[in-house]
Amino acid sequence: DAKTTQPPSMDCAEGRAANLPCNHSTISGNEYVYWYRQIHSQGPQYIIHGLKNNETNEMASLIITEDRKSSTLILPHATLRDTAVYYCIVSTSNTGKLIFGQGTTLQVKP
Amino acid sequence: NAGVTQTPKFRVLKTGQSMTLLCAQDMNHEYMYWYRQDPGMGLRLIHYSVGEGTTAKGEVPDGYNVSRLKKQNFLLGLESAAPSQTSVYFCASLRNNANNEQFFGPGTRLTVL
Repeated sequence: DAKTTQPPSMDCAEGRAANLPCNHSTISGNEYVYWYRQIHSQGPQYIIHGLKNNETNEMASLIITEDRKSSTLILPHATLRDTAVYYCIVSTSNTGKLIFGQGTTLQVKP
Repeated sequence: NAGVTQTPKFRVLKTGQSMTLLCAQDMNHEYMYWYRQDPGMGLRLIHYSVGEGTTAKGEVPDGYNVSRLKKQNFLLGLESAAPSQTSVYFCASLRNNANNEQFFGPGTRLTVL
């Protein structure tokens, strides 16, 4: 599975959009991009995933570049409860295995 | 639905003791996983199962054994605990389609003295 690179930390003002980048330059054609987050010491929570097209759900939007070498997770109106570690993961395995990196710690400030 | 539950929530062991962590899911999921998370790190996959009666090694399997005798349960065993196994252990499950979301349990905090 391809590796990902994320900034270690980011800040965002409450109510503003949070844009979290992820580089996955070695991604192969059948690999999906997944985003999970972990609040405090809870179990990780699924946010969104995609293959080629941009995706949106009730939590976030995922923008994948045309060459698929990078992506951005967008939280449209960040709240204090969105403060968490966000993990970008690339995976194709038909076993569903996820390889976590160290993620981006997002701090949403009032 | 209770989702994914883990038992126990906390445990303290002495070096050399053994224990079993239980993960249960009531979603009829086919796939199940055990991860560990050390302070300041991401999760690392220990073992996983793609169906009842099957198990496979993940990134860091040494020192652990697993069993999946029933579809809803995935057990993680430590035969002889070591201080290096002090960690938070998370279990997760996945529906039949591998390209879908994993559901995680609340974690078990294990300390080995």
